[in-house]
Amino acid sequence: QQQVKQSPQSLIVQKGGISIINCAYENTAFDYFPWYQQFPGKGPALLIAIRPDVSEKKEGRFTISFNKSAKQFSLHIMDSQPGDSATYFCAASMGDSWGKLQFGAGTQVVVTP
Amino acid sequence: EAGVAQSPRYKIIEKRQSVAFWCNPISGHATLYWYQQILGQGPKLLIQFQNNGVVDDSQLPKDRFSAERLKGVDSTLKIQPAKLEDSAVYLCASSFGTSLYEQYFGPGTRLTVT
Repeated sequence: QQQVKQSPQSLIVQKGGISIINCAYENTAFDYFPWYQQFPGKGPALLIAIRPDVSEKKEGRFTISFNKSAKQFSLHIMDSQPGDSATYFCAASMGDSWGKLQFGAGTQVVVTP
Repeated sequence: EAGVAQSPRYKIIEKRQSVAFWCNPISGHATLYWYQQILGQGPKLLIQFQNNGVVDDSQLPKDRFSAERLKGVDSTLKIQPAKLEDSAVYLCASSFGTSLYEQYFGPGTRLTVT
């Protein structure tokens, strides 16, 4: 049972374009929503995270939009660069779950020059 | 600051053999996680330690998988006997605390079971 559903599975974007990845969840007890970036042969690395008391968080070219009523959140990568080519995972956890993360299936992003 | 170390990086074994993976977390991190990442999927938590005690092993196939964290530092994950479906990347992560703290991942061990 996948608690966090992620789409699309893959996307190709031109350099300078916007990459958008969407995630949806069912468990309203989730209170922490991080995004991880993973390069081939490496472990995931935290990119940006949000809590449900805010609707948007921006760090550089990366923005999380959060819609609590729809139980959805998304990652926007502005001005996409070839170095952003990686697999991106959304995740969610509950405060009383010892930090256990439920990951989405991942989105492979390819930024073409 | 040194990251999470894992070894070996790659391992190929035949089904029904046993294998062990080692993880050295970031110094001072009390929480240690083992994840299984099957190709094309997100990581799935197998077991979580807080210091040297287990706080979650609900998704660990206990008939074949075991893990320990002696002295609350290094950890080993063992599979015995291995099955074809165990082919995956095994990721170790650590964090200073639990839900409020970032998890730092190691590079993983890629296991192929033939």
